[in-house]
Amino acid sequence: DAGITQSPRYKITETGRQVTLMCHQTWSHSYMFWYRQDLGHGLRLIYYSAAADITDKGEVPDGYVVSRSKTENFPLTLESATRSQTSVYFCASSDGNEQFFGPGTRLTVL
Amino acid sequence: SQQGEEDPQALSIQEGENATMNCSYKTSINNLQWYRQNSGRGLVHLILIRSNEREKHSGRLRVTLDTSKKSSSLLITASRAADTASYFCATYRYTGRRALTFGSGTRLQVQP
Repeated sequence: DAGITQSPRYKITETGRQVTLMCHQTWSHSYMFWYRQDLGHGLRLIYYSAAADITDKGEVPDGYVVSRSKTENFPLTLESATRSQTSVYFCASSDGNEQFFGPGTRLTVL
Repeated sequence: SQQGEEDPQALSIQEGENATMNCSYKTSINNLQWYRQNSGRGLVHLILIRSNEREKHSGRLRVTLDTSKKSSSLLITASRAADTASYFCATYRYTGRRALTFGSGTRLQVQP
């Protein structure tokens, strides 16, 4: 399917566990982004990538790790999940000004 | 820190009425974008206005930008129940990376 997909859509995990959220886009867009959305905060940028093997921190990167070995994939890993990382995570891609968003992953950390 | 702040936080109107949402930001920008988010879904791009533009139209959407006041407004004319969603402004300022800064959004409820 064309577009941008995220998996899983829902995830419940426990404090201290490692969790990886997947993001895949079929447009070959150069730029990819990870945001988290919390009530009252809008969307906040966690990490972004300008191309394969190029990543950079956003506004709230602590506790997260990303990689981009292939243009189409941009996984986000929570190395040791904390309750404060309970949120909805959105992946986006762009090859210009407009960003295209995935459907989101709702993560709950117990 | 958030670049854009939307006002109001929530808005409830009747179908057929116009809806106006405002966005203020703090620093100079290259462009400002508006996105819509339906409940439980990702964001969808609506319209982009560049810093050298003052007004832009797209269907029932009208966006204005006042760089001297660092503010923008989104007007949805003749609203429909299907317009019920959250609306976010996002600013882009070139700092060497193509990252947007989002506001906290306006929740619009259109009553049928």
